[in-house]
Order: sequence, then structure tokens, then C-alpha cells
Amino acid sequence: DVVMTQTPLSLSVTPGQTASISCKSSQSLLNSVGNTYLSWFVQKPGQSPQLLIHEVSRRVSGVPDRFSGSGSGTDFTLKISRVEAEDVGVYHCMSGLTLPWTFGQGTKVEI
Amino acid sequence: EVYLVESGGGLVQPGGSLRLSCAASGFTFSTSWMHWVRQHPGKGLVWVSRISDDGATTNYADSVEGRFTISRDNGRNTVYLQMNSLRADDTAVYFCVRDRPGTGDYWGQGTLVTVS
Repeated sequence: DVVMTQTPLSLSVTPGQTASISCKSSQSLLNSVGNTYLSWFVQKPGQSPQLLIHEVSRRVSGVPDRFSGSGSGTDFTLKISRVEAEDVGVYHCMSGLTLPWTFGQGTKVEI
Repeated sequence: EVYLVESGGGLVQPGGSLRLSCAASGFTFSTSWMHWVRQHPGKGLVWVSRISDDGATTNYADSVEGRFTISRDNGRNTVYLQMNSLRADDTAVYFCVRDRPGTGDYWGQGTLVTVS
């Protein structure tokens, strides 16, 4: 199974600043046809996870451009620019390269 | 709009059974692969199972293989998770998730299963 390691596990950010979360996979998430199946989700308090970004950097429709994903191979980063109060929650990275899907431990973002 | 609504969770004794349901709407269910993912209390997300659009292909996490069965009824736009021989470590919120290549794009609100 692909092991996903997120850092940090918690993050306190001042509104307006930038938050950065790292996610490393135990093997490359690049498949044979050139797709890299790394996704980011946010789980707001009391809610289910919501997809923010898929294939490393593709934002889901409706997600503010303050959220950006980058990386390749085994190293990935989620950046939240100009952090707002509504961004509180737990951010999860996920490998969708193969089954089983595997997730990072989650990063709790507090404002 | 896409909706996934889970039901069927509850309190069950160790060794017991439960069947979870996930009612889907707002998209063409019969062409969508579906997953179940669980979250132990206060913990991270763990993939449980997947079913193909026609129900012919199923996959399971090692921890539930042989105890859980995923199925679907495309006429009812519903996916199921039959859980047998439940153990304390199956206690979790179970989410129904729609598949898209390499990820899950819509998640239900979850249903809590407590084995105690």
C-alpha cells in the first residue's frame, strides 16, 4: 500500500497569511499514462470531506483560487493563500493511484 | 446537484451484522463506480470497499475482506455495505463516495456504526 505522510499535523494561521501543508508518498503517484493521482480534501468541523484539488493541482469548480496544489512524484504541497476564518478544518491528502486509496493523517488548520 | 445519503448505522454487539445503504441522486448512478470509506473516531480516513458501475467487480480492504460485502441496485440508485462479524475496531463513521478517476469527488454525510 502507498503510505502518505502529512506535515505538519496541526497549523495555526493568522488571517491573511499563507498556510502550507506537505504530503509525501512512499512511492511515485505517477501512473503509466501520465496522470498523478494525488488529491486534497478539507473536512470542516462536523462535516464530511470535500474534494478541493485532484491530480495534484486541478481545483474543483467553486474552490477559491486561494487554494493551490503543486508537486510531482512523491512530494506534494497544498498552499492556502490569504487564509480566511472559513478555512478552518482538517486537510487530508490522498493517493488514488491504486487500491486501496490511502490518506495522510490529516492536518488540522486553526485560525 | 449530487446527493449521497447514507443510512443504516447504529449500535450493534460484537459479532453482529448491519447493512448500510447509500441513496444517490443528481447524477447517472448506473455509470458510476462507488466506494465506502470509514473514519474511526477522531482518526483519519480509511478506504473500505469499491464496486464497479455494473456491480460485477468488487474490491475490499484486507481488514474487512470476508466479513463485508458491497453491492448495488441500479434501479434504486443505491449502494449497500453488508457488514457481518462486526468487531470493536469497525466502530467508525462510514462514508459513501462517488468515484472519479484517481479520486472521490462527492461524499455523503456519513453514518455512524458503533460496535459495543
